[in-house]
Amino acid sequence: EVQLVESGGGVVRPGGSLRLSCAASGFTFDDYDMSWVRQAPGKGLEWVSGIDWNGGSTHYVDSVKGRFTISRDNAKNSLFLQMNSLRAEDTALYYCARVVATRPSVYYFDSWGQGTLVTVSS
Amino acid sequence: SYELTQPPSVSVSPGQTARISCSGDALPKQYASWYQQKPGQAPELLIYKDSERPSGIPERFSGSSSGTIATLTITGVQAEDEADYYCQSGDNSSTYGVFGGGTKVTVL
Repeated sequence: EVQLVESGGGVVRPGGSLRLSCAASGFTFDDYDMSWVRQAPGKGLEWVSGIDWNGGSTHYVDSVKGRFTISRDNAKNSLFLQMNSLRAEDTALYYCARVVATRPSVYYFDSWGQGTLVTVSS
Repeated sequence: SYELTQPPSVSVSPGQTARISCSGDALPKQYASWYQQKPGQAPELLIYKDSERPSGIPERFSGSSSGTIATLTITGVQAEDEADYYCQSGDNSSTYGVFGGGTKVTVL
């Protein structure tokens, strides 16, 4: 059974940093691209960042470029999101999601964690 | 930036058919996926590659796509189908995840 378990969320002041982690199990981690998707309170889903199977290619939504860094440790079956210079608008539930990608036309999320809440507030 | 447009809400009586549209300029070249999210839960993949259904998803959920419009159809709606539904695709430049704004389905 595929399991994705996020951790690392919390309350942080504007300008602060947090590092999110996602522990994966039940599948061969380095066979898959991975992503972070967030959901602000009462709002819709927003893709935040993606990384390919070996970490060689990373991508970000424009609003987090230069502030967030996605990475992975395939030996530990783990995905990370380093978030710096946090803003109030980054407040959201952050989901780790497994990606099925067959470029150039297929990219979807077939498994999701339960999310970790990030609150940016003074 | 690329956008996918969904109606904010759809209301349907039990046993009837609900159709949710998703409009996007890249859809002729990008496959669409659909997700269901119930309150307090993570999203769940319902449809991928326009019309494929993962194992365990009921047959009453189906998807189609034509031109710039993808459609999720729920045939014989049940009370438990009341949820938020999101479409998603890549765009032609980055092929990463772009979500529609979501549609709240209310079962009357």
